[in-house]
Amino acid sequence: DQQVKQNSPSLSVQEGRISILNCDYTNSMFDYFLWYKKYPAEGPTFLISISSIKDKNEDGRFTVFLNKSAKHLSLHIVPSQPGDSAVYFCAASRINTDKLIFGTGTRLQVFP
Amino acid sequence: DTAVSQTPKYLVTQMGNDKSIKCEQNLGHDTMYWYKQDSKKFLKIMFSYNNKELIINETVPNRFSPKSPDKAHLNLHINSLELGDSAVYFCASSQGSGGYVEQYFGPGTRLTVT
Repeated sequence: DQQVKQNSPSLSVQEGRISILNCDYTNSMFDYFLWYKKYPAEGPTFLISISSIKDKNEDGRFTVFLNKSAKHLSLHIVPSQPGDSAVYFCAASRINTDKLIFGTGTRLQVFP
Repeated sequence: DTAVSQTPKYLVTQMGNDKSIKCEQNLGHDTMYWYKQDSKKFLKIMFSYNNKELIINETVPNRFSPKSPDKAHLNLHINSLELGDSAVYFCASSQGSGGYVEQYFGPGTRLTVT
């Protein structure tokens, strides 16, 4: 039962361009959506989140968009930098639980 | 200064053995977690503790037993290890609970059962 899906296992983008990472979910009861970034041999680190009552949240170069009717969210990185090369995990949660449900991740490679 | 640390980083052992993974956080958080990332890269929560009290216990075999001696530590003990236990185990912590709180992850422990 995969409630959070990241259908693109990898993405390659040129430095300076926009990176768009996508995530779909099946449970309309999720209250929060989060993006985590993971470098090799390290644990995931929190990047940005969005509440289900919003449709956009922005933090510097990172913007998350939420389309509840489509049960879809996306992470935009503009401009992309080589240091952004990592695996990005989408996660979802309910407000009354600590349980984060993760997608399988998308490996982003930003090349010069 | 490592916020969430795990030991060991790598663990290779044989089937049937018992092993422990230790986790410590120096962030003063009151909630700690164990996650398992399997070969298909699914990252799934196993347990969460809040102030040393078990909050989440997902469908995990009884061979896995978490122990929280204090708020800063959450250890994972695994009995009678099986091949399917091979995975990367991540410890995490947060201040407070609820799906909106940021969780801080350790570097992971790669367990290989042969």
